[in-house]
Amino acid sequence: QKEVEQDPGPLSVPEGAIVSLNCTYSNSAFQYFMWYRQYSRKGPELLMYTYSSGNKEDGRFTAQVDKSSKYISLFIRDSQPSDSATYLCASGGSYIPTFGRGTSLIVHP
Amino acid sequence: DTGVSQDPRHKITKRGQNVTFRCDPISEHNRLYWYRQTLGQGPEFLTYFQNEAQLEKSRLLSDRFSAERPKGSFSTLEIQRTEQGDSAMYLCASSRSGTLSSGNTIYFGEGSWLTVV
Repeated sequence: QKEVEQDPGPLSVPEGAIVSLNCTYSNSAFQYFMWYRQYSRKGPELLMYTYSSGNKEDGRFTAQVDKSSKYISLFIRDSQPSDSATYLCASGGSYIPTFGRGTSLIVHP
Repeated sequence: DTGVSQDPRHKITKRGQNVTFRCDPISEHNRLYWYRQTLGQGPEFLTYFQNEAQLEKSRLLSDRFSAERPKGSFSTLEIQRTEQGDSAMYLCASSRSGTLSSGNTIYFGEGSWLTVV
């Protein structure tokens, strides 16, 4: 079992939809949680960072962490075709993030 | 403030040849990471440096792989006697010192694509 698990998708939604992307982790020692967006053949771009349970909002993006169930979510409101990408969640201990395999999102006009 | 820079962006090499990738981190970042990513998978940790010291290496980093950061600035990742299974994107990332649980985070470059034929 990998330490960080994501459904690879693809997840296909119409423009304007609310998107929910999910991730689970297995290591109770993991202290921080990050979401990255990766376009095809590009490096990952940091979207959200949090280290506590609860919600963190940034524009159209909301990251939600439930440490009791080891469950991480990213919500995207008013999704746009430009949001079509792979979304990677990452978590870890002090210095080395472990990544999930990513979820492919397709937002169609 | 420039981001993480990687060179070359693409490399095609014949099996058995050696290749070297270079990474220039964000200027004030003293921690540097190397990850490998294959199609359909997330980045997998290879190694990281704190200044010039290589502090941890993954079991993925076989003896054909060597990484250096001689002056604590740029880093190189060399793969000797390349194999087809080495075909992947090699990602470099950097961060400030301090733990990642304290609000610190890592920033990636655009990656170096390696194709071994």
